[in-house]
Amino acid sequence: AQTVTQSQPEMSVQEAETVTLSCTYDTSESDYYLFWYKQPPSRQMILVIRQEAYKQQNATENRFSVNFQKAAKSFSLKISDSQLGDAAMYFCASTGAGSYQLTFGKGTKLSVIP
Amino acid sequence: EAGVVQSPRYKIIEKKQPVAFWCNPISGHNTLYWYRQNLGQGPELLIRYENEEAVDDSQLPKDRFSAERLKGVDSTLKIQPAELGDSAVYLCASSLELRAPEAFFGQGTRLTVV
Repeated sequence: AQTVTQSQPEMSVQEAETVTLSCTYDTSESDYYLFWYKQPPSRQMILVIRQEAYKQQNATENRFSVNFQKAAKSFSLKISDSQLGDAAMYFCASTGAGSYQLTFGKGTKLSVIP
Repeated sequence: EAGVVQSPRYKIIEKKQPVAFWCNPISGHNTLYWYRQNLGQGPELLIRYENEEAVDDSQLPKDRFSAERLKGVDSTLKIQPAELGDSAVYLCASSLELRAPEAFFGQGTRLTVV
């Protein structure tokens, strides 16, 4: 069984600044994957970044990077140079290597202030 | 490449009426998922298909929900009869890799039961 916890219901950031969204998880799997998805008002879940648990190196995708702390079961998302288009709900999710079922947190609503 | 296509985008029905949602996954994706997202929550898996076979339907309320995936491509999710508590966004997703279920989502159907 897996659980994902996002403790920040809402966050805000000034345009061009940096913001970090928090996520903790719990899993009994030895091999698993972690994801951050973005959901704008259009409702479509868009994959932002993915991390394989067996990789020690933190994943990065342009302005998005993660801080993966495996022992602490923490997986935070850092957004650098925030843009107005980054405003959305952000969901942290996990899945086991063989389970195929994504388990999502409750999400963090990010507002970007011009 | 076209993404996951869902229809309709919105549906309003009276309780006890039937409703159906349709999903066309990304071409070549053999795995298809239906998720339900309640207001203020992350999505929760209802059913997962590998080709035309439902391999995980443990979360599907089988007394009123049914799903099918003919020829391993398009899928339909049906609710009959609908209840007030079924109001939610129904998301379809598909994926290709078996070891890393990096799911790609459609825009969802927002169902309102009145």
